[in-house]
Amino acid sequence: DTGVSQNPRHKITKRGQNVTFRCDPISEHNRLYWYRQTLGQGPEFLTYFQNEAQLEKSRLLSDRFSAERPKGSFSTLEIQRTEQGDSAMYLCASSPGGRTEAFFGQGTRLTVV
Amino acid sequence: DQQVKQNSPSLSVQEGRISILNCDYTNSMFDYFLWYKKYPAEGPTFLISISSIKDKNEDGRFTVFLNKSAKHLSLHIVPSQPGDSAVYFCAAPSGANNLFFGTGTRLTVIP
Repeated sequence: DTGVSQNPRHKITKRGQNVTFRCDPISEHNRLYWYRQTLGQGPEFLTYFQNEAQLEKSRLLSDRFSAERPKGSFSTLEIQRTEQGDSAMYLCASSPGGRTEAFFGQGTRLTVV
Repeated sequence: DQQVKQNSPSLSVQEGRISILNCDYTNSMFDYFLWYKKYPAEGPTFLISISSIKDKNEDGRFTVFLNKSAKHLSLHIVPSQPGDSAVYFCAAPSGANNLFFGTGTRLTVIP
């Protein structure tokens, strides 16, 4: 499978715990994005990497959120001290340079109880 | 501020008929638009796009129309098939780094 891969697919955690999600983009894509989608809404942009550099962060990305993309390959999104409001689908997408269309993974559904 | 709006949360259409999904935008600087389709438990899949230099783009059963003066675009699916049942999002890029998505329209094609 050469698409965008996200793990885990589902995560249930207790409030206050830390969680980490992983995204493996399409191998030749140098751009990687994280989005969050809540019920009844479209995906909302969180952050963007070009290769290993994090070039843009949304104001939605609070201090409890951190994302990395070491070596410009896979990426991780960590949420510290989770809150119930963090419950959402977290989507990763990638695209090659010069293309606007982003290719999305299947997402990680986070439930904070 | 919702810069891309889809005012119809749902649409039901008979198989074989035309489905028309609408999208409005507020930012006149947007010059490219995309439609994505999303099945349950999957990520959005790119469907079709249109540049602001065009007013129509067609790909098989899917056609997107753009009316710049009205800041409105629409996706036409004809003929509609049961496999088209999904949530459809319109989106526009903000700079080069992210997409603004609408809230989606759930299309149900009735066999």
